[in-house]
Amino acid sequence: RKEVEQDPGPFNVPEGATVAFNCTYSNSASQSFFWYRQDCRKEPKLLMSVYSSGNEDGRFTAQLNRASQYISLLIRDSKLSDSATYLCVVNKRTGNQFYFGTGTSLTVIP
Amino acid sequence: SQTIHQWPATLVQPVGSPLSLECTVEGTSNPNLYWYRQAAGRGLQLLFYSVGIGQISSEVPQNLSASRPQDRQFILSSKKLLLSDSGFYLCAWSWTGSHLSLANYGYTFGSGTRLTVV
Repeated sequence: RKEVEQDPGPFNVPEGATVAFNCTYSNSASQSFFWYRQDCRKEPKLLMSVYSSGNEDGRFTAQLNRASQYISLLIRDSKLSDSATYLCVVNKRTGNQFYFGTGTSLTVIP
Repeated sequence: SQTIHQWPATLVQPVGSPLSLECTVEGTSNPNLYWYRQAAGRGLQLLFYSVGIGQISSEVPQNLSASRPQDRQFILSSKKLLLSDSGFYLCAWSWTGSHLSLANYGYTFGSGTRLTVV
């Protein structure tokens, strides 16, 4: 079983729509969770950390469900500039290794 | 502020040739350093990580090796490239020490090297 699994998509949504991505992880002892954004042929960049209580940054909301071992990312009022691949990232409990999902592709359509 | 530099940006190498990719970090000391590879249409695969000078951990067996000759320098090498070594190679750094720092800031990646083995 993979450490981190995501629906690859693609998700094609109109501007202004709300879209949600889920990601499941296999290691119940994982402690740190993130969403990264990767534009085509570029390096991944940190979008937001995911905290146990859930957190929001503008149009983006991240949530963690430890019991079910999944994290989610909600994007409200989608913009064309949100088009990218979104990577779910989870760390190992010990050490500093992070595991990346294969990413979910989002295209926001005018 | 911290910055990470990775070069070259693009590389085309023949099968059987050697490889050396370099990554340096500025503005911090004793970072954790990582090499990842992203094959076309696939996810990021952790190749090596280092928590200090001369300390290298390998995640997958392969014909690649890594070295950390200085605190903020991380090098990825191969003696003989294979076609399957083609991909997007990314260096990254993270804070050491408190888990809170790691949870807040995660990794920061370099801009990557796109390697094509022909």
